Amino acid sequence: QQPVQSPQAVILREGEDAVINCSSSKALYSVHWYRQKHGEAPVFLMILLKGGEQKGHEKISASFNEKKQQSSLYLTASQLSYSGTYFCGTGLRDSGYALNFGKGTSLLVTP
Amino acid sequence: KAGVTQTPRYLIKTRGQQVTLSCSPISGHRSVSWYQQTPGQGLQFLFEYFSETQRNKGNFPGRFSGRQFSNSRSEMNVSTLELGDSALYLCASSDGTGAHEQYFGPGTRLTVT
Repeated sequence: QQPVQSPQAVILREGEDAVINCSSSKALYSVHWYRQKHGEAPVFLMILLKGGEQKGHEKISASFNEKKQQSSLYLTASQLSYSGTYFCGTGLRDSGYALNFGKGTSLLVTP
Repeated sequence: KAGVTQTPRYLIKTRGQQVTLSCSPISGHRSVSWYQQTPGQGLQFLFEYFSETQRNKGNFPGRFSGRQFSNSRSEMNVSTLELGDSALYLCASSDGTGAHEQYFGPGTRLTVT
């Protein structure tokens, strides 16, 4: 049930854009995105719900294709502070809203 | 509001021993989820407790167990430790009544020798 994330790693220069993808083989109720910096706990970024509702940070955008069970996280005009590992977590309605996380995408933004 | 706290932060145990980890959620949160984080597997879901009941369980052996108390604090127990149990164990709390964001604690780093 673990979702698949791509790419596994990406290196950007400051100001460039990046897209991180997350796909599942199961019908999803929600997709959650978190960022974890080295040595720190994961921090919430965004939730996308079936039906189109979203909530999260203003500077980060994401999409949720319910038919394809896929989500993408868009990082535009990247900043050095965007560096970290990004995890998508997928929620199944019949699993009590528990999340299954992907293995993560490592993002490094360089000056 | 105080954040999620986990104790202890670091732990070294010997193979075959057992260990208990503790998690105190954010005040008012009734859901606590536990995750195992390793470099190769990322974040793997262990179980989730809501109002003292295990609501969902991941794909881990029965050596991993947990419980939640009436004040929403949760404990996780691992018996008969194996070398492969070395990992960062994270707990996360949430409102638990819908697809709400989870707030993670700093984790407990368990090393099994």
